Amino acid sequence: AQSVTQLGSHVSVSEGALVLLRCNYSSSVPPYLFWYVQYPNQGLQLLLKYTTGATLVKGINGFEAEFKKSETSFHLTKPSAHMSDAAEYFCAVHSNSGYALNFGKGTSLLVTP
Amino acid sequence: DGGITQSPKYLFRKEGQNVTLSCEQNLNHDAMYWYRQDPGQGLRLIYYSQIVNDFQKGDIAEGYSVSREKKESFPLTVTSAQKNPTAFYLCASSIFPGAYYEQYFGPGTRLTVT
Repeated sequence: AQSVTQLGSHVSVSEGALVLLRCNYSSSVPPYLFWYVQYPNQGLQLLLKYTTGATLVKGINGFEAEFKKSETSFHLTKPSAHMSDAAEYFCAVHSNSGYALNFGKGTSLLVTP
Repeated sequence: DGGITQSPKYLFRKEGQNVTLSCEQNLNHDAMYWYRQDPGQGLRLIYYSQIVNDFQKGDIAEGYSVSREKKESFPLTVTSAQKNPTAFYLCASSIFPGAYYEQYFGPGTRLTVT
């Protein structure tokens, strides 16, 4: 079964510091992987996705993620955190049926001045 | 301005009552989804629909029902059989069925049952 594990339910960084949010996946087939962001009491917005091709994926708001098959990882990074990056981040992988997504439990990012 | 609307944003019901959550999209998407979000649990799939008049159970369908009579509408009914209905409910759609295609999410409905 396809699943993802997000390491760390809360991450705190200083403004201007590197953001690193960790996601490891388990999949019996080549995975489609996604990162979504959720601001309080709102829906989710896609940051980036990996399907095939280039393993370094660039997304919106300066985020990027690298697909590493050998490590079964898809970590999300941003070189310099901004206060507006404070939100909940979800990693997801396509489900067994191939039609929906299996989400991780989320990582709450706090950015301090 | 295309998007997904969910109404109402907050909903309160008494235990034992059925309640229907609205989801409408004007993106002309074929596929629609319902997810449930609980604190610290991520999102879990309730139902999805690939096309009008067709829908499939997700991981936690018990106590829920859906219909897809129109392409733009995918209402979710939370029945009295759902043992713990208080949660944040998110509707999503994608242009075609399949995880390859980006899912667009609505703003959600927070349901509280007492």
